[in-house]
Amino acid sequence: DAGVTQSPTHLIKTRGQQVTLRCSPKSGHDTVSWYQQALGQGPQFIFQYYEEEERQRGNFPDRFSGHQFPNYSSELNVNALLLGDSALYLCASSLGGGRTSPLHFGNGTRLTVT
Amino acid sequence: GQQVMQIPQYQHVQEGEDFTTYCNSSTTLSNIQWYKQRPGGHPVFLIQLVKSGEVKKQKRLTFQFGEAKKNSSLHITATQTTDVGTYFCAGPGNNAGNMLTFGGGTRLMVKP
Repeated sequence: DAGVTQSPTHLIKTRGQQVTLRCSPKSGHDTVSWYQQALGQGPQFIFQYYEEEERQRGNFPDRFSGHQFPNYSSELNVNALLLGDSALYLCASSLGGGRTSPLHFGNGTRLTVT
Repeated sequence: GQQVMQIPQYQHVQEGEDFTTYCNSSTTLSNIQWYKQRPGGHPVFLIQLVKSGEVKKQKRLTFQFGEAKKNSSLHITATQTTDVGTYFCAGPGNNAGNMLTFGGGTRLMVKP
């Protein structure tokens, strides 16, 4: 039973560039959430996708966008990268988008912006 | 917006000592979840509490949900080096869906 998989594991980009991160949810899960975790802090909610639509969004600018595909996998895109975007980006899957569903996290993508 | 605070930020303990982390929310929560993140790892779900005053145990870990459903605690008895990591509490946002607001976490370090 495959868990949540994310790619790539590490990424180095330059300010102003664009990046795409990918996530495959745990088998049987249909909801994908993306979180940003800065060093030494708790994960911050970016957005959630359910039924191929953005269902909820956190306090992140429009430079952050996403997509969910029919097979429930998801992408996170960040445009015009800033130094402050350097963080661990975590994908979490759950079932049904309900309030009580525990999140299953992937190993994350470590993004460094120079 | 909703805020979830945890104290302490850091805790050093000698192996065998007890450890407690406290979580407080600015709003009443329908449920609270606890996660553990090992150094270099990702958050792993530990438990969910739903009822007011609920207490749940997992071996040496005891989780409590406050009567007002605005606070929670995690207590570890007789810590071991395998307990090292950061413990996060998380509560659902005010909107529908599964958005979770995480606390800042308590980083536990255990000296053997």
